[in-house]
Formats: sequence, structure tokens, C-alpha cells
Amino acid sequence: QVQLQESGPGLVKPSETLSLTCTVSGGSISGYYWSWIRQSPGKGLEWIGYIYYSGSTNYSPSLKGRVTISEDMSKNQFSLKLTSVTAADTAVYYCARSGVDSAFFQYWGQGTLVTVSS
Amino acid sequence: DIQMTQSPSTLSASIGDRVTVTCRASQSISSWLAWYQQKPGKAPKLLIYKASTLENGVPSRFSGSGSGTQFTLTISGLQPDDFATYYCQQYFSSRWTFGQGTKVEIK
Repeated sequence: QVQLQESGPGLVKPSETLSLTCTVSGGSISGYYWSWIRQSPGKGLEWIGYIYYSGSTNYSPSLKGRVTISEDMSKNQFSLKLTSVTAADTAVYYCARSGVDSAFFQYWGQGTLVTVSS
Repeated sequence: DIQMTQSPSTLSASIGDRVTVTCRASQSISSWLAWYQQKPGKAPKLLIYKASTLENGVPSRFSGSGSGTQFTLTISGLQPDDFATYYCQQYFSSRWTFGQGTKVEIK
């Protein structure tokens, strides 16, 4: 059974960089899209972007320029970096997997709350 | 980007009710639509993909229909475990987007 687990600081200061890692177990990261999705408190789901196992990326236009998603196949991990954060970036951040021909999110991490505050 | 609009935002229903949630896309997305259920403090759970295909293990009281720009999620015989928020998601374009969610509450 594929499992995803987010990790990283729960508190980030304004203007700094938010960094999270998703560790995948129970399967390889090869052959799939790996996404970051966030949910601000009391709000809906926002797709941030994905990395394909080949290394190609695609980001939401609303965050493009501030977001970078990378992968480490040797560790079966992928990561999110979001620069110049503000309070509006406070959210639960989820990592998730989708297939190449089936780009819905079949597997999700449990989510991690990141608060932006000084 | 393709905008996804769900209605209603909140729905009050009783156990045993038939419940319908609607999702409308700003342009045709064929059948490239998924539905998720989310409970407080939990990650979303995939219910339906390709508009009408039930994910393994999801109860058959859940069903999906539609194509193009108009889609529906139906729960036939609402159960206590079904009170949650439901989201649609399009994966027609390369920039995936979600609806704003529909909360199903106890009447």
C-alpha cells in the first residue's frame, strides 16, 4: 500500500522560505505525478503544482515564481519550496500522487499545518 | 484556468435522504472529473474518477454522472458516515483545479 508522509517546519517567518518534504513508501516515485496541495484554514483545496518522475514540473499560475518542486529518487522523496511567504500561505499542506493517464489524486499524505508568523 | 463551481455550498439532509451535489466547469472537460470526500482534520478521500467510476472500496450508494461542463455526485441513502465536505476536481487541463466544496450537514 502506497503511503505518503509530509515533514518540515510547522512555523515559518514572513518573507522566509517554506520547505516541506514528502516521503513515499510502499512504491516507487517512478511513473507518476507527485503534487502538493494546500488548504487554508476553513477553506477549500488549492493545487500548488506537480513534479513528474522524469523531473518535469508544472505549477499553479497563482504561485508560479515563488514555488519550486523537486525530487530525490534515491530517497523516494519530493519536496516543496515556497519563497517570500506571508500569512496568506498559512495552510495545511498535503502531498498526493496521481497517475499519468489518470490525473486524479488516489493517494494523499495526512497533511501538515504550516503557520506563517513572526 | 478552468474554474469549477459547486452547488450548493452547504446542504442539510437527514439519514436516508438522497443527496445531489452539482459541479459545473467553465469549459468542457469531457469526463475528466473526480470527486473527493473530506472529513475534519483528515486528507481528502477519492470517491469517483472519470466522472462516474467508483474507486475501489467506496460504497455503491455513491454515484457520479455527467460530462462536458455539468456533473453530479449522488448519495442514495445518506448514512451517518457521509456527513462531510465534498470536492470536485478537473484533470482535463494540465493545471488541475478543485471546486470550492459542498458541506453536507445533519438536518
